[in-house]
Amino acid sequence: EPEVTQTPSHQVTQMGQEVILRCVPISNHLYFYWYRQILGQKVEFLVSFYNNEISEKSEIFDDQFSVERPDGSNFTLKIRSTKLEDSAMYFCASSPPARGISYEQYFGPGTRLTVT
Amino acid sequence: AQSVTQLDSHVSVSEGTPVLLRCNYSSSYSPSLFWYVQHPNKGLQLLLKYTSAATLVKGINGFEAEFKKSETSFHLTKPSAHMSDAAEYFCVVSVLPNTGNQFYFGTGTSLTVIP
Repeated sequence: EPEVTQTPSHQVTQMGQEVILRCVPISNHLYFYWYRQILGQKVEFLVSFYNNEISEKSEIFDDQFSVERPDGSNFTLKIRSTKLEDSAMYFCASSPPARGISYEQYFGPGTRLTVT
Repeated sequence: AQSVTQLDSHVSVSEGTPVLLRCNYSSSYSPSLFWYVQHPNKGLQLLLKYTSAATLVKGINGFEAEFKKSETSFHLTKPSAHMSDAAEYFCVVSVLPNTGNQFYFGTGTSLTVIP
């Protein structure tokens, strides 16, 4: 069964460094998302991406964040200058082409980002 | 505005007994509702979804949920708990039409199954 994959599973970085989190969505999906979950808190939406542009973004997704689909398979989240409060689990998700109103999202296993 | 409230942060049941995980939602529009499960060190797996068709929705692993508009609820049930059901469960609301299809998550319910 196709699944969303994410690399790395765990990333440790120093404050102020840039990180790139990578995701490979399910191959025929057209909508892509990033979420994050700070330890002990709820999963929060960051951004959605469709047709090579951002569809929607939350207040969390400020100028230090960017997303890209550099080729036909990868979907990346870049954090330019990490802060301690960026430490969280980051989930990538994708959803298939719209069929009626079936918009379920398929999630990857997450990347745990630790900023020291 | 959209939001989800999961009424219990922790639920503990004995193996073989029924499971009830409660979820209430708030939505300005007709919502789509989902339940996801997260096992330790695993991704979020879709259990079931409601998208304005039948109000009683059947999912994987014997789980069901009933959409009750009058109560703005979408509680998850299972007649008989299994040890493998121990996990974190998330209730999620999404609103259409919304090209961003942003998901709003509840805070999660941790289910413990006692042998």
